[in-house]
Amino acid sequence: NAGVTQTPKFRVLKTGQSMTLLCAQDMNHEYMYWYRQDPGMGLRLIHYSVGEGTTAKGEVPDGYNVSRLKKQNFLLGLESAAPSQTSVYFCASSYQNPEDTQYFGPGTRLTVL
Amino acid sequence: AQSVTQLDSQVPVFEEAPVELRCNYSSSVSVYLFWYVQYPNQGLQLLLKYLSGSTLVKGINGFEAEFNKSQTSFHLRKPSVHISDTAEYFCAVGGTASKLTFGTGTRLQVTL
Repeated sequence: NAGVTQTPKFRVLKTGQSMTLLCAQDMNHEYMYWYRQDPGMGLRLIHYSVGEGTTAKGEVPDGYNVSRLKKQNFLLGLESAAPSQTSVYFCASSYQNPEDTQYFGPGTRLTVL
Repeated sequence: AQSVTQLDSQVPVFEEAPVELRCNYSSSVSVYLFWYVQYPNQGLQLLLKYLSGSTLVKGINGFEAEFNKSQTSFHLRKPSVHISDTAEYFCAVGGTASKLTFGTGTRLQVTL
């Protein structure tokens, strides 16, 4: 039982390049989330999904796209990376009740030059 | 709308001393409150959560938190900290679609 895994762990991009971050969970969770963590700002929700084939915007969605083609996977895409997207990205998953715990992946550290 | 305020960005404390990390929240829906811990270069893991019932919630590693509705607070406490408690602590409030709104975090630095 691996929990929540994220690929890659580190990445350096040049401005304008694109990339996809992969999140996978093996807990059969319905809900999945992408957050970014920046110093002094805590974690901010980028996009989330309440089930296979569904996605919704969070607090800071601009510049990102997501897809949930399979229940266990949640992909975060950057079409044209900008230095402001330098951050640590965390994926999380949970069951569908508000009181359920979110389980987090180990994070992806992205630097955009 | 929901929000979480963690007023202390850093809390230095000596080993074996007690500690309190403060959290105040604002929520217009049912209140579910969480404390998560993030050790260096790791993801977040749940320390404890308040759903309903007893206002004193016990979590892992000897931490506990008290829900105070009148003061809209959910402060985290530990009577005696250890070096291994050095980490960043996040308070969060749950909302619709199980989304979490996080505070900005408090860095607990435990020294000898």
